[in-house]
Amino acid sequence: AQKITQTQPGMFVQEKEAVTLDCTYDTSDPSYGLFWYKQPSSGEMIFLIYQGSYDQQNATEGRYSLNFQKARKSANLVISASQLGDSAMYFCAMRDIGNNNDMRFGAGTRLTVKP
Amino acid sequence: DTEVTQTPKHLVMGMTNKKSLKCEQHMGHRAMYWYKQKAKKPPELMFVYSYEKLSINESVPSRFSPECPNSSLLNLHLHALQPEDSALYLCASSQVQGMGGPTDTQYFGPGTRLTVL
Repeated sequence: AQKITQTQPGMFVQEKEAVTLDCTYDTSDPSYGLFWYKQPSSGEMIFLIYQGSYDQQNATEGRYSLNFQKARKSANLVISASQLGDSAMYFCAMRDIGNNNDMRFGAGTRLTVKP
Repeated sequence: DTEVTQTPKHLVMGMTNKKSLKCEQHMGHRAMYWYKQKAKKPPELMFVYSYEKLSINESVPSRFSPECPNSSLLNLHLHALQPEDSALYLCASSQVQGMGGPTDTQYFGPGTRLTVL
């Protein structure tokens, strides 16, 4: 069964430093998509970045990059130059054909940026 | 524009009330979703509509009734809810559903915080 694991319930980072949020996944499908979402305390889920299983390069979007290691089945999110507004819950998610392409989420990591 | 709107933002209802949650998107997306999220938990999929047809119902109790009047609108009708149904209800949309690739990216609305007394 599809499974997404985020092993860090909470993380702290100093403002302006980089931080890595871990995500591992399990699927037997060769075709799948990996997503990261940010959820501030207001509740809205904000899409950050997408990585396809066949993509040759790691995805990047501004200060966000995805460290995709396919053999290890990991898709870690790297946030560079952290800002106070980055404090939020971060969810890793995956869609694969074997699961009706439903999006399944990890348990989340709460990131706190310290001034 | 990646905006999905939801109304109301907050809703308090009694167990005998009937209410509806509304969701709207104008991105031309043909798949829309309802999720339920309890505090400190990830969202859980409830319903998926693809081209205005219900394609996935994740065994949700019948007191939740979805409706997709057209490709831009999604409603969730609530009736005889229980206190444990109190949660954040999130609507999302994607270009299509189940094709794989970045078109599967779901864009979420701000949610409705529901309290059932």
